Amino acid sequence: DVKVTQSSRYLVKRTGEKVFLECVQDMDHENMFWYRQDPGLGLRLIYFSYDVKMKEKGDIPEGYSVSREKKERFSLILESASTNQTSMYLCASSHPTEAFFGQGTRLTVV
Amino acid sequence: AQRVTQPEKLLSVFKGAPVELKCNYSYSGSPELFWYVQYSRQRLQLLLRHISRESIKGFTADLNKGETSFHLKKPFAQEEDSAMYYCALKGYSSASKIIFGSGTRLSIRP
Repeated sequence: DVKVTQSSRYLVKRTGEKVFLECVQDMDHENMFWYRQDPGLGLRLIYFSYDVKMKEKGDIPEGYSVSREKKERFSLILESASTNQTSMYLCASSHPTEAFFGQGTRLTVV
Repeated sequence: AQRVTQPEKLLSVFKGAPVELKCNYSYSGSPELFWYVQYSRQRLQLLLRHISRESIKGFTADLNKGETSFHLKKPFAQEEDSAMYYCALKGYSSASKIIFGSGTRLSIRP
């Protein structure tokens, strides 16, 4: 059973803070993704990674960065959190084409 | 540009009625198409993919390359079908990103 685990279910952070969202998968998948999920907008891709230390920007990378130092772990970093980054963040890994999702992190920036 | 369009934000039908959730896409090349589903308080999960040509939980979807559509259908809706449905596409390269539509909330009335 594939497991994608996000480190937090709920986070509340202050404007300007640096925020780290962690995601770990246990199935040796090559590809990992970070999306944000907003009502009416669906899932929008922030970044994805197709190998260790390899990353590509998605549709909305501004204000975010990522890190993939190990195959199983993909981190999303909000360099300076802003209120418009309040959202549900979903991590996924895929092999070869089906995506497996984490439970999501609901981030509130105040 | 890669894009997935789901024109309906909400679809409400009576139990036993037919269901069709619309999905149109734009992609230069031949993508893989998927439908994902998110039930209340559960993770997003794969429902079906076009290459499998299978029926899952009574749902089918046919890829129409001429109309660039991948509509999801079920002849007789059940109450447990109430959920959020997302259409998605992925390029055939293993390093391709997965793009999602804005989602359709399906509500089945008793």
